[in-house]
This record gives sequence, C-alpha cells and structure tokens, in this order.
Amino acid sequence: DAKTTQPPSMDCAEGRAANLPCNHSTISGNEYVYWYRQIHSQGPQYIIHGLKNNETNEMASLIITEDRKSSTLILPHATLRDTAVYYCIVRGGGSNYKLTFGKGTLLTVNP
Amino acid sequence: DARVTQTPRHKVTEMGQEVTMRCQPILGHNTVFWYRQTMMQGLELLAYFRNRAPLDDSGMPKDRFSAEMPDATLATLKIQPSEPRDSAVYFCASGSRDRGSLNYGYTFGSGTRLTVV
Repeated sequence: DAKTTQPPSMDCAEGRAANLPCNHSTISGNEYVYWYRQIHSQGPQYIIHGLKNNETNEMASLIITEDRKSSTLILPHATLRDTAVYYCIVRGGGSNYKLTFGKGTLLTVNP
Repeated sequence: DARVTQTPRHKVTEMGQEVTMRCQPILGHNTVFWYRQTMMQGLELLAYFRNRAPLDDSGMPKDRFSAEMPDATLATLKIQPSEPRDSAVYFCASGSRDRGSLNYGYTFGSGTRLTVV
C-alpha cells in the first residue's frame, strides 16, 4: 500500500472549517484513500473514503486532487469534540483488506 | 448503532500468565481485525480473518500469540505466556464488503487495555 504523509499537528478554531492535508504521491490506480480518526482513549472511527471523485457525508468532505497524489479532509464546522488524531490511509482494492495506520495528524480544536 | 464489543476493557496480569481477549463483531460482518496500539509503535495490525479463516497473521509474534474465530460471533486473541512488553491497548475491528461496495469502512471496538507487570 502507498505511504502517506501528514503534518503531525494542526490547530483550528471552534466553528471554523478544519482542512487536513495528506500526501500520497505513490498511490496507484486501484488504491482508495481512507480517513479515520481516534479520539483519546477510544477506538479509531471511520470518517470517509474515496477513489478519485470528491466525497461528502454527514461527517466530512474528502477532496482528492486530479492526479490523486494528495487529498484534503474537510470538517466544515469544527467543534471541540472533533479534537482527535486523524489518519489518512491508502488501501488497495480487491481482496486486500488491511488498513495500515501511520502517525496521523493531531487536530486540536480551540474554543 | 451497531457496535463491536470487546471484553475485558481492562486487564492487569502478571508476567507469565495467559491472557485471553474477546471480541464480538457486528452481526453480519465477515472480516475481523486485531490491532495493537502503543505509544512507541502506534497502531499495528496483528491479524485478520475473513469468513472466520485467518488471512494474514504476519504481524503477530507466533511463539506467544494466537488468534481464532471459533464462530462468527466471537474472535479471540490469546497471549501465553504474557510479557511486560505486551502491555498495550488491543483493538478489534469488523467490517463487510457485502454492502454494495467492495470497499467499506471498518468499525472498531473500544479496546482492551492490557498491563503486564
């Protein structure tokens, strides 16, 4: 699976949009981009995933660049409860089910 | 919401003792994962199963760890004998591709915090 690069930490003001970047320059054509987050002392939580089109759900939006070498997770109106470590993961399709977690980005939402 | 249930939530044991951690995947999910999380190593995949068959356990120390799925509602992770370096949070996750999509997000349990003294 392709390796991802994320900033170790970011800050965001409550109520503002949080934009979390991820680089995955070695991604191949059949690999998906997944985002999970982990709130302190809890298990990771699935947020969203995409292949090449932008995706949106009730939690967030995922913007994938046209060349697919990078993506951005957007939390439109961050709250204090969004403070967590956010993981960007690239996972192959087909029968490869594994998720390999990196170090992620610690997002701190400030009042 | 459906949940992955892990027991026990906390376990303190002495070095050399056997430890068994249990996981009840979400009903209908046919893929089950075991992860371990430490401050130093982060989240590491130990093993995973599909339709109760082990697909990959390359991340697991074979000499002391074993993972099984005796039935579709129960996955177990055993450590025998346990060592202080096994102290970590162990997470179970489950998922299924049978949702109209080949790729689907997995649901994690709350974890078992293991301390070996």
